[in-house]
Amino acid sequence: QPVLTQSSSASASLGSSVKLTCTLSSGHSSYIIAWHQQQPGKAPRYLMKLEGSGSYNKGSGVPDRFSGSSSGADRYLTISNLQSEDEADYYCETWDSNTRVFGGGTKLTVL
Amino acid sequence: QVTLRESGPALVKPTQTLTLTCTFSGFSLSTSGMCVSWIRQPPGKALEWLARIDWDDDKYYSTSLKTRLTISKDTSKNQVVLTMTNMDPVDTATYYCARIRDYGDLLLDYWGQGTLVTVSS
Repeated sequence: QPVLTQSSSASASLGSSVKLTCTLSSGHSSYIIAWHQQQPGKAPRYLMKLEGSGSYNKGSGVPDRFSGSSSGADRYLTISNLQSEDEADYYCETWDSNTRVFGGGTKLTVL
Repeated sequence: QVTLRESGPALVKPTQTLTLTCTFSGFSLSTSGMCVSWIRQPPGKALEWLARIDWDDDKYYSTSLKTRLTISKDTSKNQVVLTMTNMDPVDTATYYCARIRDYGDLLLDYWGQGTLVTVSS
């Protein structure tokens, strides 16, 4: 089954941009992933589906500041014009027909 | 509008069986392509997938927990039930249910608010 690797933490300044990375394990570089945001004390929220081609589809109400891209086994979440409410944990997720896997999450701090 | 809500005991004793219910609206588990999963998150830790049930009653479980888990559905009540046997303090976590829609990609697109379960004597 696939494994997803994420950096444990990231930080960026208010109004700037940040790019979070999720890396698929060997042999799984073509997998679709999803990004989920978990603000402090809240349930996760689906942000987007991201394909290996770089094509992405966002969930309802997700701001235009959020975008996705891909390169090989790496899947990226870019947040532009960072706002204070973007301070959260970000999880990538992937799946096959009978299992699902989450990355360890990246804690984003907005400075 | 899709919503999901988890319910169940906040506290269980070690060795007891946990029963959680997910009550949802905005979709039906009798509709082709609809699925519900359970995911948990120990305090301060990452998300862990537990189980999934599909519209056609197919069921899938985490390899590491499959001997302890049972998932079932009541389509008429729009509910999915998860039971986990032989609870241990390491099972202390917030338990979430979530919708998965299979339009060719099994996408998890809605989460419940979660319910915290503490395992302690």
